[in-house]
Amino acid sequence: QKEVEQNSGPLSVPEGAIASLNCTYSDRGSQSFFWYRQYSGKSPELIMFIYSNGDKEDGRFTAQLNKASQYVSLLIRDSQPSDSATYLCAVGNSGGGADGLTFGKGTHLIIQP
Amino acid sequence: DAGVIQSPRHEVTEMGQEVTLRCKPISGHDYLFWYRQTMMRGLELLIYFNNNVPIDDSGMPEDRFSAKMPNASFSTLKIQPSEPRDSAVYFCASSLSGGTTDTQYFGPGTRLTVL
Repeated sequence: QKEVEQNSGPLSVPEGAIASLNCTYSDRGSQSFFWYRQYSGKSPELIMFIYSNGDKEDGRFTAQLNKASQYVSLLIRDSQPSDSATYLCAVGNSGGGADGLTFGKGTHLIIQP
Repeated sequence: DAGVIQSPRHEVTEMGQEVTLRCKPISGHDYLFWYRQTMMRGLELLIYFNNNVPIDDSGMPEDRFSAKMPNASFSTLKIQPSEPRDSAVYFCASSLSGGTTDTQYFGPGTRLTVL
């Protein structure tokens, strides 16, 4: 049974600071990793994906992957109140994402104005 | 494009009744996924289809659950008979090719309450 673990939070961060969200996964063979954002009462939306060790940057967001440690993180720079949401880490179930994703339960992020 | 469409958005039913949830994927997408989200278990994959063919239904919790995709633009998830523990938000998602990093687009979800 593949598992994806996240701290449920809430994680409270002051506006303008860096928010750091973390995720660990159990299947060492996993190759694709995704971060979704979910506002309350809404559906998940993809922020970014990563599949190579190291960092991947997209605007204010940076995903970090360390396959040796089975660890994925998401950094949000210059955090805004609109970033307040639940962030879901997801792992592709095989060599890719073709057969669905295994999600963590999410971290609730609160950006304090 | 209108995105993934789900209906109904909310469903309240009584234990023992049949429930049918509906999904229209994004046109041209070959993969369709059904997920269920609860506070206790988070977001779980139930079943997914490729080109209308069910590929993996290992996440379907019990025989009470069934899913069909009669054509490329329509899928249903049926629960018969429904139980209170089936109360959850059910999401449908679709993706273009199911490749390694292909984006899954989620519908708005159906909030099911079984009394």
